[in-house]
Amino acid sequence: KAGVTQTPRYLIKTRGQQVTLSCSPISGHRSVSWYQQTPGQGLQFLFEYFSETQRNKGNFPGRFSGRQFSNSRSEMNVSTLELGDSALYLCASTRDSSTGELFFGEGSRLTVL
Amino acid sequence: GQQVMQIPQYQHVQEGEDFTTYCNSSTTLSNIQWYKQRPGGHPVFLIQLVKSGEVKKQKRLTFQFGEAKKNSSLHITATQTTDVGTYFCAGQNQGGKLIFGQGTELSVKP
Repeated sequence: KAGVTQTPRYLIKTRGQQVTLSCSPISGHRSVSWYQQTPGQGLQFLFEYFSETQRNKGNFPGRFSGRQFSNSRSEMNVSTLELGDSALYLCASTRDSSTGELFFGEGSRLTVL
Repeated sequence: GQQVMQIPQYQHVQEGEDFTTYCNSSTTLSNIQWYKQRPGGHPVFLIQLVKSGEVKKQKRLTFQFGEAKKNSSLHITATQTTDVGTYFCAGQNQGGKLIFGQGTELSVKP
């Protein structure tokens, strides 16, 4: 079956712009989590959605937001981009809870100039 | 807030040598997971440990969960070039949030 799909794979933005990233989980998976990966900070948890509700949230500013649709697809949005937002944004899905194996997508690599 | 510390950050070994990476949590965990990320790839799940003192093996990989459920280790026996990558532990707290360690980047010299 198809894995977790993230779009776009690469994008370049300038400071002050906003960006929306998309994640399609594995079919049947209802939990979607988002992580930011940078060389110095590792994998930082952004938020987790389950059945269209945010279930957990990391320590990121309000510029970072997300949502989940009824088909479990998820989007995350970053507004007023800063240089430090340059990172690989990874989406991961699980079947019905956050206690099991995470299946990661290939990620969306964002560069902010 | 909860932290999961992982050491070492880098490890360079000669092929055939053993390798160990350690994780320590500031709080008791409900479970711990391990992932491997190959260069340019995405993290791939290896295993989940749930019970206090649990030890699991996958071929040359041995995973341990501490008695207090606050620390864990991954040991690779006789490393091979295919073991190259970054190994992450991820601890799940009582609230369900999964916190990743910073990862250990393993390089193997043939």
